[in-house]
Amino acid sequence: GQNIDQPTEMTATEGAIVQINCTYQTSGFNGLFWYQQHAGEAPTFLSYNVLDGLEEKGRFSSFLSRSKGYSYLLLKELQMKDSASYLCAVRDSNYQLIWGAGTKLIIKP
Amino acid sequence: IAGITQAPTSQILAAGRRMTLRCTQDMRHNAMYWYRQDLGLGLRLIHYSNTAGTTGKGEVPDGYSVSRANTDDFPLTLASAVPSQTSVYFCASSDGPNTEAFFGQGTRLTVV
Repeated sequence: GQNIDQPTEMTATEGAIVQINCTYQTSGFNGLFWYQQHAGEAPTFLSYNVLDGLEEKGRFSSFLSRSKGYSYLLLKELQMKDSASYLCAVRDSNYQLIWGAGTKLIIKP
Repeated sequence: IAGITQAPTSQILAAGRRMTLRCTQDMRHNAMYWYRQDLGLGLRLIHYSNTAGTTGKGEVPDGYSVSRANTDDFPLTLASAVPSQTSVYFCASSDGPNTEAFFGQGTRLTVV
């Protein structure tokens, strides 16, 4: 079966750095996406990785290792508005997105 | 630019009733998707459409049907609602298989 694993919940302090991990086992791989979802709202796109390595976009970076079936999302200089759920999704061999259950990130002052 | 719009925003529905959730996008995206999101679970694909005139079944299609008569609209119909269909439903669209999906604001459906 196909599986995406992420921690259920993480807590971090405002101004700090946090790394959210995602491991996957899917039938084929055609890219990995990270989305942010605030409570009661729609998911919004953060990043896309298809090749190994680090993609940096402002305070957010995403890393991919295809051989390990592993990705992480790195958030720097955390702000209170970063409190949200972070969803990892993998596009499989049929180009369908397989979603993790999401990691709820709680930022404390 | 509206992006992708869903209606209604929320609905309470009696079991056994028929209901259509509407989804419209103005981005001219070829692909559209319907997901349900339940607490503790990832987004689960109900049905999808890669282009106007075609549809496909996702992971949890039972009890749902879709149509794609044109590029912009992708309605989801529950023929006879059951309490297990209580969920938040998201419609999404993308320009192609390797591009990000854009989501509507969601429809919170409660079947009683």
